[in-house]
Amino acid sequence: DGGITQSPKYLFRKEGQNVTLSCEQNLNHDAMYWYRQDPGQGLRLIYYSQIVNDFQKGDIAEGYSVSREKKESFPLTVTSAQKNPTAFYLCASKDSPNYGYTFGSGTRLTVV
Amino acid sequence: KNEVEQSPQNLTAQEGEFITINCSYSVGISALHWLQQHPGGGIVSLFMLSSGKKKHGRLIATINIQEKHSSLHITASHPRDSAVYICAVMEYGNKLVFGAGTILRVKS
Repeated sequence: DGGITQSPKYLFRKEGQNVTLSCEQNLNHDAMYWYRQDPGQGLRLIYYSQIVNDFQKGDIAEGYSVSREKKESFPLTVTSAQKNPTAFYLCASKDSPNYGYTFGSGTRLTVV
Repeated sequence: KNEVEQSPQNLTAQEGEFITINCSYSVGISALHWLQQHPGGGIVSLFMLSSGKKKHGRLIATINIQEKHSSLHITASHPRDSAVYICAVMEYGNKLVFGAGTILRVKS
C-alpha cells in the first residue's frame, strides 16, 4: 500500500546538535510538506516543496533546512539555530489540487 | 484571533452518545479537512469536503460555506473513537491552516 514513512518515531538529541528527520512517500505525489505541532496549538507549516529541486519556506522556517533531490524524499534538518526544537514533526504529501493530503505517522523529537 | 477555531477543546462522552465537534473559520477556502490523530501521533484524513455533507460509517461531516462553519458528528460513540479531531482549512493556493484540535474521550 502507498503511504508516507517517517522515521524514527522517537528521536533524542543533545542541545546544539543538528538532526535530520526522514520522510519518504511512495504515492508519486508532487507536493510534500513539513509541519510542527506543539501542545495546545495547531500544526504549523515549516517548509514545503511542490516539485523536485524546489522548496519554499513556510510560516516557521527559521532554524530548519530541507532538500528535495528526489520526488519520494523530503528530509528535514533541525539545526542548532532552532531555539525550541522539542516538538512533534509531521510530514505530508499531496497530489493534484483536487485531492486531499496524506499524512505520515510523525516523529517526536526531544532535545535535552 | 485564530483563522480556524474549534469547539469544544475537550470533550468527554459516554459510550453510545452522539458527539458533535464544531469548526469555524474566517478565511475563504477551497476545501476543509477533518483529521483524526491517535495518541501515537499519526494523523488520518477522515473527510475532505467543499460543500454539503459526507458520511463514512458512524462519522458525518457537514459544511456551510456561507456561514464558514463545519461540524463533525459521531453517532453511537465508542471508546476507540477517543482521539484528537482536527479541522484544517485549505486556503486558495492550497495552504492548509489547522485548528488546535478537540480532545475526545469516550468512556465505556
